[in-house]
Amino acid sequence: GESVGLHLPTLSVQEGDNSIINCAYSNSASDYFIWYKQESGKGPQFIIDIRSNMDKRQGQRVTVLLNKTVKHLSLQIAATQPGDSAVYFCAELVSDYKLSFGAGTTVTVRA
Amino acid sequence: DTGVSQNPRHKITKRGQNVTFRCDPISEHNRLYWYRQTLGQGPEFLTYFQNEAQLEKSRLLSDRFSAERPKGSFSTLEIQRTEQGDSAMYLCASSLSPSGELFFGEGSRLTVL
Repeated sequence: GESVGLHLPTLSVQEGDNSIINCAYSNSASDYFIWYKQESGKGPQFIIDIRSNMDKRQGQRVTVLLNKTVKHLSLQIAATQPGDSAVYFCAELVSDYKLSFGAGTTVTVRA
Repeated sequence: DTGVSQNPRHKITKRGQNVTFRCDPISEHNRLYWYRQTLGQGPEFLTYFQNEAQLEKSRLLSDRFSAERPKGSFSTLEIQRTEQGDSAMYLCASSLSPSGELFFGEGSRLTVL
């Protein structure tokens, strides 16, 4: 079964607001997580990753937070834009080369 | 910008027919992956190549599925005697090093009637 899973399948956010997408994982030994964005008709695109020796990592308008105590990670998108409308997946690297993806959260940005 | 290229983008076939998908990875990438994605779900790992060697096949890949990467460059995924349950998006990805950053193609969507 899935080793990572998302809390909500959909998220609607007002343009300019911040978005928070949550994900839970089951294996306390997991040590590498990745967020992907998939726009309609396209393949997934890497956004940001985090290893278990970190609690927080920031990119351009995105921040990933990792809480190992409750086995939870989140992706925060600042000042959400229409181009952020997509499906977002959290994934875990379960071996040297295999990613296990969650089911995805569909983010819709309202103008 | 030459990213990962997949062909055909769409394939409609009748049950029982064979189909083949091709993936051209980013040229310097030695790692190549195939994933399958059904509607509303995340991608599921199918198989992995390092150069021309196929190092793992998921149990999702029945005997009707075969993947090759003959010269360590492009790869093909063949499905024999297609079934309706094979209808999905077949995604190819490549990478240069062991990491979570895979570069995905736009996928080949298969519809089996």
